[in-house]
Amino acid sequence: NAGVTQTPKFQVLKTGQSMTLQCAQDMNHEYMSWYRQDPGMGLRLIHYSVGAGITDQGEVPNGYNVSRSTTEDFPLRLLSAAPSQTSVYFCASSYLLGQGMYEQYFGPGTRLTVT
Amino acid sequence: AQKITQTQPGMFVQEKEAVTLDCTYDTSDQSYGLFWYKQPSSGEMIFLIYQGSYDEQNATEGRYSLNFQKARKSANLVISASQLGDSAMYFCAMREYGGNQFYFGTGTSLTVIP
Repeated sequence: NAGVTQTPKFQVLKTGQSMTLQCAQDMNHEYMSWYRQDPGMGLRLIHYSVGAGITDQGEVPNGYNVSRSTTEDFPLRLLSAAPSQTSVYFCASSYLLGQGMYEQYFGPGTRLTVT
Repeated sequence: AQKITQTQPGMFVQEKEAVTLDCTYDTSDQSYGLFWYKQPSSGEMIFLIYQGSYDEQNATEGRYSLNFQKARKSANLVISASQLGDSAMYFCAMREYGGNQFYFGTGTSLTVIP
């Protein structure tokens, strides 16, 4: 199993450009999510999905779109990049082990710089 | 209101000593889970330990233990016999059983001094 994979690892964008961060998992997990990590802010939830065809907003969704057409893939789209979106982005997938325990697996992260 | 509060931005500990990293949480749910993750300088997020709100015993995983005080809404991580490889950021997180989100704290940077 590859676990959770993210591409690219690094990306530099100019303000106004759009791009898609890719995330895939091969563990058949229903739940997937996108976080951004900024210094001193911890991880903040952008969007999440509880299954194919179902997505919802997290704490900081503005400027980002997601879709979930398959269980495996959960891409994050930046519509018009802004310097405030400079961050490290983590994709995660999780499943219910039982009794409320969720095992959450993180991808390696994508470091995005918007100039 | 913050769901998870970690009040120690940075901590230092001598090698082989024990250290406690603080975490308090805010929820009105009776059923929830508390998690700790480690993020070394390489950047990956590593799951360390889990505590369920109905668990009567404090969770332990090797050198990690979770000091769970439900009435105080605290879930402190205790690392015993610190090692140099324990130097990392540590994040506390919570998930309410009826919800779909993990909430993370801002993290504590731990430095182990030889």
